[in-house]
Amino acid sequence: AQSVTQPDIHITVSEGASLELRCNYSYGATPYLFWYVQSPGQGLQLLLKYFSGDTLVQGIKGFEAEFKRSQSSFNLRKPSVHWSDAAEYFCAAGSSNTGKLIFGQGTTLQVKP
Amino acid sequence: DAGITQSPRHKVTETGTPVTLRCHQTENHRYMYWYRQDPGHGLRLIHYSYGVKDTDKGEVSDGYSVSRSKTEDFLLTLESATSSQTSVYFCAISESGTSGRNVETQYFGPGTRLLVL
Repeated sequence: AQSVTQPDIHITVSEGASLELRCNYSYGATPYLFWYVQSPGQGLQLLLKYFSGDTLVQGIKGFEAEFKRSQSSFNLRKPSVHWSDAAEYFCAAGSSNTGKLIFGQGTTLQVKP
Repeated sequence: DAGITQSPRHKVTETGTPVTLRCHQTENHRYMYWYRQDPGHGLRLIHYSYGVKDTDKGEVSDGYSVSRSKTEDFLLTLESATSSQTSVYFCAISESGTSGRNVETQYFGPGTRLLVL
């Protein structure tokens, strides 16, 4: 069965520290991969996406993610976290035919001053 | 931001009553989706549409129906609401793809918070 797993439900980092959020997927073929961010009471905002090509993708707000086919992973990174990055982050895998997305459970990021 | 609105934004209803949620887009995108968001589950696809009057089921479609009579509107109906349908509902849209892709990135609306008592 297709699935997306985000192993960390909650992560707390200090402001200015580096961040890595993990995402693993199980899919029949190489899916399209996405990271979305959701602030409390808000909708989902696209951070970045991977369709093909360069496996290191850059997104908005200083985020990047690396697609590793051998590990079925698409981890999200940021070198220096800001207090405004506190939010919930969702990894998703999608079909190029239908666009149907499978989401991970989400990781809540807390940023300590 | 993608031109997506959802109405109502908040609704409280009673078990057994019908409820219809509306998603409206101004982007003229072909694909539209309804998801529900529940703690610990992320977002799960309820139904989606790949064109006017063309719809299909997602992974959690039981108890829900949809209709799309115009490109810009995608309606989600709970025929007889149950407490298990208390959730936050998100609509998303995406345009037809290019470069060998059928579908492009999904963009999400602001959500509708539904409470079924």
